[in-house]
Amino acid sequence: GAVVSQHPSWVICKSGTSVKIECRSLDFQATTMFWYRQFPKQSLMLMATSNEGSKATYEQGVEKDKFLINHASLTLSTLTVTSAHPEDSSFYICSARDRVEVDEQFFGPGTRLTVL
Amino acid sequence: GQNIDQPTEMTATEGAIVQINCTYQTSGFNGLFWYQQHAGEAPTFLSYNVLDGLEEKGRFSSFLSRSKGYSYLLLKELQMKDSASYLCAVIDSNYQLIWGAGTKLIIKP
Repeated sequence: GAVVSQHPSWVICKSGTSVKIECRSLDFQATTMFWYRQFPKQSLMLMATSNEGSKATYEQGVEKDKFLINHASLTLSTLTVTSAHPEDSSFYICSARDRVEVDEQFFGPGTRLTVL
Repeated sequence: GQNIDQPTEMTATEGAIVQINCTYQTSGFNGLFWYQQHAGEAPTFLSYNVLDGLEEKGRFSSFLSRSKGYSYLLLKELQMKDSASYLCAVIDSNYQLIWGAGTKLIIKP
């Protein structure tokens, strides 16, 4: 089946630093990738939708200058949390929509970010 | 390897009951989620089980057996709006989410 990977799996950083999270579709091409945040025992909150080669579309309330998204290729999207603060500590999950099977959406394993 | 198995698709009748099974083999276990996802929308949280047993929440119930690596989501009094994909996800010992492929539930009148 289709596989989506994320790197790193977990990261601990100091307040004020920037963290980059990669999301890769390993065996399929994804024209669209989604970035979510998840707080404990809660729904995934969609942060932004990124389409290959174009600017990401951010959900209301998500600061685009703080959460930079780049979708440079059909298999890679990156989320950079700039000037991270403790309140940004969360579980970040990406998903990718298959270019061919557009109804299929595959989720990554998540990246746990802890900001000290 | 780690994997989660759930049926690809199920069909049920409005007003009936349906049970969606999920079996998992993961390195460690720190909880199991069930999510509902309508086409084009973000998944919404349905339940979280970390102890064995049945958790009931309105028309939806979720069951977990850690010794069997098994969970099910039970939907009662099915409504047309319950047509969606249902995702099973397990948190492993490294607190990584392992996702099932989802079960597409089709409700017929």
